[in-house]
Amino acid sequence: DAKTTQPNSMESNEEEPVHLPCNHSTISGTDYIHWYRQLPSQGPEYVIHGLTSNVNNRMASLAIAEDRKSSTLILHRATLRDAAVYYCILKDWAGSYQLTFGKGTKLSVIP
Amino acid sequence: GAVVSQHPSWVICKSGTSVKIECRSLDFQATTMFWYRQFPKQSLMLMATSNEGSKATYEQGVEKDKFLINHASLTLSTLTVTSAHPEDSSFYICSVPDPGGQPQHFGDGTRLSIL
Repeated sequence: DAKTTQPNSMESNEEEPVHLPCNHSTISGTDYIHWYRQLPSQGPEYVIHGLTSNVNNRMASLAIAEDRKSSTLILHRATLRDAAVYYCILKDWAGSYQLTFGKGTKLSVIP
Repeated sequence: GAVVSQHPSWVICKSGTSVKIECRSLDFQATTMFWYRQFPKQSLMLMATSNEGSKATYEQGVEKDKFLINHASLTLSTLTVTSAHPEDSSFYICSVPDPGGQPQHFGDGTRLSIL
C-alpha cells in the first residue's frame, strides 16, 4: 500500500473546525483513503473513507483533491473528546484486509 | 455498541509467566482477525494474521513460538504471550474486518506489563 504523510501534531480550539491534512502522492487508482483515530489508551476507531468523491458521515467529512494526491479530514466542531491520534491510511480495495499504520497526527483540543 | 470485545484490558505479571489475551467478534463471524502491538509513543505494528481453521501468518521479526495464536472459532481468537519478559510489555490490540473487508473494528486493547 502506498505511503501517506501527515503532520506530527496539530492544535485546535474547542468548537472550532479542524482540517487534518494528508499527502499521498503515490496513490494508485485502486487505493481507498481511510481515516482512523485512536483515543488515549484505546484501540483505533474507524472515522471515514473514500475513493474519489468527498464523503460525509456523522463523525466527519473527507475532502479528496481532484488529483487524489492529498486529502483532508474535517471535523466540523472539535470537542475535547476529539483529542486523539488521527491516521490516514491507503488501502487497495483488492488487497488483504490488514491496515498499515503510519505515525498519524496527534490532535490536541484546547478548551 | 462494541463490535469487538478484548479481554483482559490490563494485566501485570511476573517475568516467565504466560499470558493469554482473548479477542471476540460480537456482531459477525470472522475467518480472519489481526493482532497488533503498540509500544509507548509509537504507532501500531501488525504482528500476525489469525486464520480460522489454519495456522496464523506472522509478520517478519515476530516469533511464532513466543506469540501463540489460536483462532478457536469464527468469533474467537486468542494470543498467548509465552514466557513473557519485560521487553514484551506493550499494548496489544486485535481487529476484526467487517464482512465486506473494511472497515476494521478494533478491540479496546490489552495493556501488558511484565515485571
